[in-house]
Amino acid sequence: GENVEQHPSTLSVQEGDSAVIKCTYSDSASNYFPWYKQELGKRPQLIIDIRSNVGEKKDQRIAVTLNKTAKHFSLHITETQPEDSAVYFCAASRAQKLVFGQGTRLTINP
Amino acid sequence: DTEVTQTPKHLVMGMTNKKSLKCEQHMGHRAMYWYKQKAKKPPELMFVYSYEKLSINESVPSRFSPECPNSSLLNLHLHALQPEDSALYLCASSLESGTPLGGYTFGSGTRLTVV
Repeated sequence: GENVEQHPSTLSVQEGDSAVIKCTYSDSASNYFPWYKQELGKRPQLIIDIRSNVGEKKDQRIAVTLNKTAKHFSLHITETQPEDSAVYFCAASRAQKLVFGQGTRLTINP
Repeated sequence: DTEVTQTPKHLVMGMTNKKSLKCEQHMGHRAMYWYKQKAKKPPELMFVYSYEKLSINESVPSRFSPECPNSSLLNLHLHALQPEDSALYLCASSLESGTPLGGYTFGSGTRLTVV
């Protein structure tokens, strides 16, 4: 089955700097790659997603890149703000199964 | 309505109790899911319903019993749970199974404590 690895597990950046989180997946048939932000005690919220027929997608300060050949995808957050502090999960989906990475705890230091 | 609603938000139950978790969506989504999330871990898939039929059961113990009465409702019946079953139980839905247009929408979860 699908296996998703996510790095780093914790990330601390200064406010205003950029943050990058990377994920690799094992199943070449996976074709949908969402990123979720989860604040403590709350639901995962979709922040951006990308499909396998697209290499890059951007939404304001957030961007995701996908390299199908290497089977890895990355989340880029620019101009980080304190409210970006949360746990971020990448995921890969094939058919009806959504498999999550282990999560990255992002802390934005003022 | 663009939400997945889960009730109750919190539940404490004994190991001999029977309880049910409920999930509801009115977005016209035809696939619904149960996930289990332990503290500091990612959500793990338990069950997938597609067009009201169970299509995936990730080898979940029989003390968890899902039910999908109609396309808007998904229940999770709990019986004889163990303390290690304490977790956040998340319901999600998507427009369709496969590669869902619009992605997956998660409910706010039921925090279950088994004593």
